[in-house]
Amino acid sequence: AQSVTQPDIHITVSEGASLELRCNYSYGATPYLFWYVQSPGQGLQLLLKYFSGDTLVQGIKGFEAEFKRSQSSFNLRKPSVHWSDAAEYFCAVGPGTNAGKSTFGDGTTLTVKP
Amino acid sequence: GAVVSQHPSWVICKSGTSVKIECRSLDFQATTMFWYRQFPKQSLMLMATSNEGSKATYEQGVEKDKFLINHASLTLSTLTVTSAHPEDSSFYICSASFPSGGSYNEQFFGPGTRLTVL
Repeated sequence: AQSVTQPDIHITVSEGASLELRCNYSYGATPYLFWYVQSPGQGLQLLLKYFSGDTLVQGIKGFEAEFKRSQSSFNLRKPSVHWSDAAEYFCAVGPGTNAGKSTFGDGTTLTVKP
Repeated sequence: GAVVSQHPSWVICKSGTSVKIECRSLDFQATTMFWYRQFPKQSLMLMATSNEGSKATYEQGVEKDKFLINHASLTLSTLTVTSAHPEDSSFYICSASFPSGGSYNEQFFGPGTRLTVL
């Protein structure tokens, strides 16, 4: 069975500070890993994905994530947070050819202080 | 490209009535569409997978007679909540994907529909 754990329900950072959102997964095969962002009342937007190759992946909006197989982690990072980054962030794991069958974590709410 | 729309964006209905939510892929042909339900401050739960021209595959615990899904064309899938009750109030999100020919078929999400049943 596949599962995703996002240990931090809510994170608050100051604008301009760095950010790291944690994600741990459990998957029986080589995982496809995703990070999505959801603004209030909106659908999800894909920030980045990983399934092979370089373990440090770059995404949109200045985000990056690092896959660490030994730790079963796929943490999301951003060096300098902007107020517009305040949103809900979801990590997901699943099959690549049927991404809709992905399992989503419970999400981390990011608040950005001015 | 790869835009998915949903209509309506929000709907309020009386208990016992049925509500239809549309999910459209605007600039691509979606061979597969997915319907999710999201409760406040919670994650997405996959309700069903629909492939164009065939019956939807429902996840365990989802009542197929209550949540009717139709994927009649490559650009349109509908979710009908029949005899809605207040506990059906939720945020419903659809996503659509198409075969890329590779090992990964990205899914594109609609903006969601907020359903409130009074």
